Amino acid sequence: EAGVAQSPRYKIIEKRQSVAFWCNPISGHATLYWYQQILGQGPKLLIQFQNNGVVDDSQLPKDRFSAERLKGVDSTLKIQPAKLEDSAVYLCASSTRTATDTQYFGPGTRLTVL
Amino acid sequence: QKEVEQNSGPLSVPEGAIASLNCTYSDRVSQSFFWYRQYSGKSPELIMSIYSNGDKEDGRFTAQLNKASQYVSLLIRDSQPSDSATYLCAVRKEGSRLTFGEGTQLTVNP
Repeated sequence: EAGVAQSPRYKIIEKRQSVAFWCNPISGHATLYWYQQILGQGPKLLIQFQNNGVVDDSQLPKDRFSAERLKGVDSTLKIQPAKLEDSAVYLCASSTRTATDTQYFGPGTRLTVL
Repeated sequence: QKEVEQNSGPLSVPEGAIASLNCTYSDRVSQSFFWYRQYSGKSPELIMSIYSNGDKEDGRFTAQLNKASQYVSLLIRDSQPSDSATYLCAVRKEGSRLTFGEGTQLTVNP
């Protein structure tokens, strides 16, 4: 079974530029999560999708971050415009349901904002 | 007060010793507790989950939960150099998000 796929793996941009990350969850997983992990910290949930509906986006900085999950499969996370403090690893995870199911993480995208 | 707090690291133990990792949480209604392992430059990987008070053993790993004290721990017996990683404690309330601690870096010295 293929794992969670993410691209790109690394991205370097200058502040005020925009950037987009892509995630393809494990086949059949209804729930998809985007996390932000700043160096030295644990992952912080940005947004959670159940199929193509948003379950939790309370910690998403909506003035600059947006995310969508078309057709309940792939997802894209966008930052526009980026700030220096957005430098982090962006992790995508998926699970079959939300309740007690294991979340499987993708390899992440390391973003550096200069 | 942070929702999930882990003992500050880094923690260093000799090979073959028991490594003890601790975590406290602030919300009494938390129901699910997880330990993730994260190797440097890699993504988190679930190694243990525990939902009720007491101990849960899986190979060399034992998770311990005490809801009255709002405390969860992970013991790693016969520690190996391959266990060197950051260990993340995560907690979830019913119907809510997974909240992670900042992690404890463990080094097992040969």
